[in-house]
Amino acid sequence: NAGVTQTPKFQVLKTGQSMTLQCAQDMNHEYMSWYRQDPGMGLRLIHYSVGAGITDQGEVPNGYNVSRSTTEDFPLRLLSAAPSQTSVYFCASSYVLGSAQETQYFGPGTRLLVL
Amino acid sequence: ELKVEQNPLFLSMQEGKNYTIYCNYSTTSDRLYWYRQDPGKSLESLFVLLSNGAVKQEGRLMASLDTKARLSTLHITAAVHDLSATYFCAVAYPNTDKLIFGTGTRLQVFP
Repeated sequence: NAGVTQTPKFQVLKTGQSMTLQCAQDMNHEYMSWYRQDPGMGLRLIHYSVGAGITDQGEVPNGYNVSRSTTEDFPLRLLSAAPSQTSVYFCASSYVLGSAQETQYFGPGTRLLVL
Repeated sequence: ELKVEQNPLFLSMQEGKNYTIYCNYSTTSDRLYWYRQDPGKSLESLFVLLSNGAVKQEGRLMASLDTKARLSTLHITAAVHDLSATYFCAVAYPNTDKLIFGTGTRLQVFP
């Protein structure tokens, strides 16, 4: 199993550009989520999904879109990048939260710099 | 609004000593998680605590949950250098899958 994979590892954008951060998992997990990590602020939940076709907003959803057309993939789209979106982005997956089998697996992260 | 606070934010401790990291949260929840992050790396799940009074142990780390006090503790026994990392707790909003993370405790263990 590859686990949770994220691409790209690092990206530089100019203000106003759009891009998609890719996340895929091969563990047949229902739950997938996106976080951003900023210095001194821990991780903040952007969007999450409990299954294909189902998504919901987290703490900081503005400026980001998601969709979940398959169980495996959960891309995060930045519509019009802003310097405030400079951060490290982590994707995570698990069986449904609250189940006895639950453990969240995190991807390696994508470092995004918006100029 | 659910708020999660960890303390201390920084912890420098000597090898062989014991210490406790605290995680307080502001609203009812019965699910709490602990994670470890090494510098420049991703997060690793340590413990999932699903009920009041839950206690889990792995090596020198032991986590507990008191839902009535809205408090979880991560106890470190006889610290070793390999435990140096940042530790996060995360709490679930009731009846949802939203997780709110604490700001983390950066632990440094020195000889």
